[in-house]
Amino acid sequence: EAGVAQSPRYKIIEKRQSVAFWCNPISGHATLYWYQQILGQGPKLLIQFQNNGVVDDSQLPKDRFSAERLKGVDSTLKIQPAKLEDSAVYLCASSYDRPEYYMNTEAFFGQGTRLTVV
Amino acid sequence: AQRVTQPEKLLSVFKGAPVELKCNYSYSGSPELFWYVQYSRQRLQLLLRHISRESIKGFTADLNKGETSFHLKKPFAQEEDSAMYYCALRGGGADGLTFGKGTHLIIQP
Repeated sequence: EAGVAQSPRYKIIEKRQSVAFWCNPISGHATLYWYQQILGQGPKLLIQFQNNGVVDDSQLPKDRFSAERLKGVDSTLKIQPAKLEDSAVYLCASSYDRPEYYMNTEAFFGQGTRLTVV
Repeated sequence: AQRVTQPEKLLSVFKGAPVELKCNYSYSGSPELFWYVQYSRQRLQLLLRHISRESIKGFTADLNKGETSFHLKKPFAQEEDSAMYYCALRGGGADGLTFGKGTHLIIQP
């Protein structure tokens, strides 16, 4: 099956600029996650969608980060304005939404977008 | 709050030697525990989960609720095992994962 697709792969911007990342999950996966992975750290969940609704955005810095999944498929994550500390790899992941079948809860990850803020 | 601790940033062992990557967690309920692996230039992928109780690529991990640990073990390391390994916890259902900081495993020839 095709994997989770993300673009762009790399992005360099100056601080205070804005940037957007795009994610296309695996077909049929209702749940979509955005993670932030800072160098030397494990991924940290930013936001979770089920279809086009937000399930958890408790760790999303809402003053500068926003995300949407309007049609319940593709998703975009935006940062405006960017800060130096936003330099990280942004990972998108998706999974089925039927956790009663434990195999369906596996999260599949994209290659990530490496953001450098200078 | 849930937390995952991987005490070793780097672990280097010789080929053929046993490997143990440590993972401890903090969670008030009954969590689901995972090991994810990232090989060089590849995406993060699931290695194994405690529910399935299976061995993948020779690796096993047992959930010890008393010690709140989920250590990853392999009796004989191979060079292709060199990678970043992340322990992760899920509180339930399809919730997001809480990851540890990762252990870089290097298998020396």
